[in-house]
Amino acid sequence: DTEVTQTPKHLVMGMTNKKSLKCEQHMGHRAMYWYKQKAKKPPELMFVYSYEKLSINESVPSRFSPECPNSSLLNLHLHALQPEDSALYLCASSQVGGGDQPQHFGDGTRLSIL
Amino acid sequence: RKEVEQDPGPFNVPEGATVAFNCTYSNSASQSFFWYRQDCRKEPKLLMSVYSSGNEDGRFTAQLNRASQYISLLIRDSKLSDSATYLCVVTVNTGFQKLVFGTGTRLLVSP
Repeated sequence: DTEVTQTPKHLVMGMTNKKSLKCEQHMGHRAMYWYKQKAKKPPELMFVYSYEKLSINESVPSRFSPECPNSSLLNLHLHALQPEDSALYLCASSQVGGGDQPQHFGDGTRLSIL
Repeated sequence: RKEVEQDPGPFNVPEGATVAFNCTYSNSASQSFFWYRQDCRKEPKLLMSVYSSGNEDGRFTAQLNRASQYISLLIRDSKLSDSATYLCVVTVNTGFQKLVFGTGTRLLVSP
């Protein structure tokens, strides 16, 4: 069982909808991440939060809006997405500053944009 | 040049075979190294960290050569359940980890 929990597992939405992806971890990790993964491609980093502050935005379009309400939770708010945004969205967490500490992934939200 | 390069495969091997995957990385500042495994339509799962001294976990052995910027994974006595994509991952730590993934090597173990 994964220690990083993501909801929902699947999401189908229209291009005008607003929805949110949620991620939760209780490992005491202070760094949390959002990745996007297309089929047969490796995960691509979108955002990094460190101590609840946004540390990296990898030039992600503003239709994706991350939020870190507390050290255990990470949200990704979606609005006016495009069909090419259909992908697996993965959340991960790690200890901050732990160079040799791996990231732990949730099992992802599979997003389809109609 | 890609930051992390892997042979995409697929590697088709029979059960019981030994198979080796290689990976090269371009950033000499990379500090941590991992192998992740990803099953079809599932999340990446940590297989093992890779240390300069080399490390072994059961049938799996990982090696790191910092001078050559080269990482390897050896799987002995392959099982059907080893069929997956193996992702080589390196990090650059600037106060937080930024993982850089290779494109993955697909392994198919057949009976």
